[in-house]
Amino acid sequence: NAGVTQTPKFRVLKTGQSMTLLCAQDMNHEYMYWYRQDPGMGLRLIHYSVGEGTTAKGEVPDGYNVSRLKKQNFLLGLESAAPSQTSVYFCASSLLQAVSDTQYFGPGTRLTVL
Amino acid sequence: AQSVTQLGSHVSVSEGALVLLRCNYSSSVPPYLFWYVQYPNQGLQLLLKYTTGATLVKGINGFEAEFKKSETSFHLTKPSAHMSDAAEYFCAVSDYGGSQGNLIFGKGTKLSVKP
Repeated sequence: NAGVTQTPKFRVLKTGQSMTLLCAQDMNHEYMYWYRQDPGMGLRLIHYSVGEGTTAKGEVPDGYNVSRLKKQNFLLGLESAAPSQTSVYFCASSLLQAVSDTQYFGPGTRLTVL
Repeated sequence: AQSVTQLGSHVSVSEGALVLLRCNYSSSVPPYLFWYVQYPNQGLQLLLKYTTGATLVKGINGFEAEFKKSETSFHLTKPSAHMSDAAEYFCAVSDYGGSQGNLIFGKGTKLSVKP
């Protein structure tokens, strides 16, 4: 099993450009999450999904959109990138709700917005 | 609202010394508590978790943590540090508020191990 994979690993954008980050998991997990990690801030939840076709907002959803058209994939979109979105983005998945279950993390995507 | 405080953004120990990473939480309901570890340029992985039952929880790589309700703490310890323990450690608490069913992470503690 590959676990949780993320594409791409690195990306540089100019302000106003758009992009989509792809997360894929092969563990048949129901729950998937997108986090951003900034120095000294820990991980903050952007959006999450409790199953195929459903998404919900996390702690810092502004400026991002997500879609979960297939159970194994969770996409994070930036429609108009801003320098404040420079961060490392992590995707995670869990079989059950994260409140009690283990989350499995991808390797991350390092995004720089100029 | 639930919250997590990790005391000390950086901790440095000598190889073979005791590792103690502190975590205090705030929760209005019985919490579920987690410790995750992040090695350089990698994603997070679970070290251990407390849900119910025994308050002393053993995890991978010789780490353990004790849930102390009276102190609202969940400190992580390891009797003897190894060079390979150098990483960033995150404490997390279950979130029953805004994003129900998810976790709130602390800001992390970076552990350095000196030879």
